[in-house]
Amino acid sequence: EVQLVESGGGLVQPGGSLRLSCAGSGFPFRTYWMSWIRQLPGRGLEWVANIRDDGREIHYVDSVKGRFTISRDDAKSSLYLQMNSLRAEDTALYYCARDRGRGFDIYGQGTMVTVSS
Amino acid sequence: DIQMTQSPSTLSASVGDRVTITCRASQSFTNWLAWYQQKPGKAPKVLIYEVSTVESGVPTRFSGSGSGTEFTLTISNLQPDDFATYYCQQYNSYPRTFGQGTKVEI
Repeated sequence: EVQLVESGGGLVQPGGSLRLSCAGSGFPFRTYWMSWIRQLPGRGLEWVANIRDDGREIHYVDSVKGRFTISRDDAKSSLYLQMNSLRAEDTALYYCARDRGRGFDIYGQGTMVTVSS
Repeated sequence: DIQMTQSPSTLSASVGDRVTITCRASQSFTNWLAWYQQKPGKAPKVLIYEVSTVESGVPTRFSGSGSGTEFTLTISNLQPDDFATYYCQQYNSYPRTFGQGTKVEI
């Protein structure tokens, strides 16, 4: 079964850090671009970042540039999102998603990040 | 950035109806548009990519069309399982952007 499972979310104070992880299985993880997408509570979807299959090309939405870092470990079929200098507006459900280059076809169940004092 | 604007935000319909959702882009592009369905508490599900290609396993009552700055998702013969929120998304350029969503309700 093709599956993505996120972990690492939680409650953090403004200015704090969190590292999200996403474990893939059931498909050749190393051959796919991967993305992080977030959904603000009761709101729509926002693409956050993606990383090429070889890890050599990365893109971010402007609002997280310089604060978030996407990375991958293909030996572990895992995707990561290091989030620093967190703000209240980063509060969201974070999904990892398989990025086919023609849309996101597989999502995890999401991990909730809450930034609050 | 390419802004994606969907209309309407909410749509009331009945089983058996034909429903059309419009997605307008702030810049023109060709082909690189997808549509997703999301139900409460669930992750999005891709329905259509490259404007009009229906994802494997998706019922044929879902169809997509458009080019330039205007794209549409049509659901013919609306079924009870189709009541959900729908999003368009462009992958023509970075950052990837989604529309704000259209809720299809009974």
